[in-house]
Amino acid sequence: DIQMTQSPSSLSAFVGDRVTLTCRASQGISNYLAWFQQRPGKAPKSLIYDASSLQSGVPSKFSGSGSGTDFTLTISSLQPEDFATYYCQQYNSYPITFGQGTRLEIK
Amino acid sequence: EVQLLESGGGLVQPGGSLRLSCAASGFSFSTYAMSWVRQAPGKGLEWVSSISGNGVSTYYAGSVKGRFTTSRDNSKNTLYLQMNSLRAEDTAVYYCATQTRSAPPNWGQGTLVTVSS
Repeated sequence: DIQMTQSPSSLSAFVGDRVTLTCRASQGISNYLAWFQQRPGKAPKSLIYDASSLQSGVPSKFSGSGSGTDFTLTISSLQPEDFATYYCQQYNSYPITFGQGTRLEIK
Repeated sequence: EVQLLESGGGLVQPGGSLRLSCAASGFSFSTYAMSWVRQAPGKGLEWVSSISGNGVSTYYAGSVKGRFTTSRDNSKNTLYLQMNSLRAEDTAVYYCATQTRSAPPNWGQGTLVTVSS
């Protein structure tokens, strides 16, 4: 199985900051990686698919990059609604696997 | 607009069965692979199962293989998850999602399954 490791596990930042979250795959997954945002009590919301394609309706402050084993999600100009948990997911091969999540908190 | 609506969750005793449904609309259902993903209380996301667009191929997580069965009825634009021999550790919110490479994923709002005596 492909293991997905997200770092950091938690991150504190100020409103207005720019942050970068990292996801590493235990083996190459081409660009078959998605990023999801989950607010407490809500369903996950898709942000990025195929590593760098922005989901329709998602603001351009979210951007993804990477290929192979190393991927990043960058969020610019953090707003209060951006403080949530973020998950990466590989869908290159079965079993599909998720990272453990990065909790983004307000400093 | 893509919509996925899960139903069928509820309280079930250990060893019992439950069938979840996911009604899809707003896209060409039969051309999309679909997945079930669950989230236990306070935990992260766990992939459960996927099925190809034509329903021929199915895939399962080791934790549910042999107990859960995923199927679909493309004439009704509906995805199913038959869950048998349920255990306490199957307690979770279950989400259905589109799962096709190079297509944006869409998720439903989830349905809660509680396995308890």
